[in-house]
Amino acid sequence: GENVEQHPSTLSVQEGDSAVIKCTYSDSASNYFPWYKQELGKRPQLIIDIRSNVGEKKDQRIAVTLNKTAKHFSLHITETQPEDSAVYFCAARSYNTDKLIFGTGTRLQVFP
Amino acid sequence: NAGVMQNPRHLVRRRGQEARLRCSPMKGHSHVYWYRQLPEEGLKFMVYLQKENIIDESGMPKERFSAEFPKEGPSILRIQQVVRGDSAAYFCASSPLRDEQYFGPGTRLTVT
Repeated sequence: GENVEQHPSTLSVQEGDSAVIKCTYSDSASNYFPWYKQELGKRPQLIIDIRSNVGEKKDQRIAVTLNKTAKHFSLHITETQPEDSAVYFCAARSYNTDKLIFGTGTRLQVFP
Repeated sequence: NAGVMQNPRHLVRRRGQEARLRCSPMKGHSHVYWYRQLPEEGLKFMVYLQKENIIDESGMPKERFSAEFPKEGPSILRIQQVVRGDSAAYFCASSPLRDEQYFGPGTRLTVT
């Protein structure tokens, strides 16, 4: 069935460093890949997304890359700040369905 | 422009009681999704609804759980005869047209 694997489960970086989170999906029909940031006790917030007809997308300090052949996509955060600390979830959606399949999350800690 | 609204934010039920969770989508959004999040885990799809129609309920347990999105009013997720294993955060999300999904603040259900 559909599955999304996410690594690492925890990531600690120094303020100003970059952080990279990687996800792999199993369903070759997947064509939409959003990333969500969830702070403790809060709602998941959509921070960036990418569609299968694009290889890379950037929004200020955040970028997402997609490799359709290898079925993986990654989130890159540059110049990390303490307020980037949160749990980040990747997700995938197939063209023939509407449900998002989520990864298991990455807890990012940015130390000042 | 109000975001996705959910109520109640916290709900305590004794085993065997019923839980009703409400979700009002963002203005202009006609697609509603329900997800469940267990502590320290990712989000799991439960059901996808449009007005007066259940489109995909493949993630919803066959017994005790039901969902509706009537022509007027909020979407409701109903859990009958709750058990301790139902304790979780229940999030709904809405989207305008099979597009980005925006999440509500969630309802944290505790079954005692």
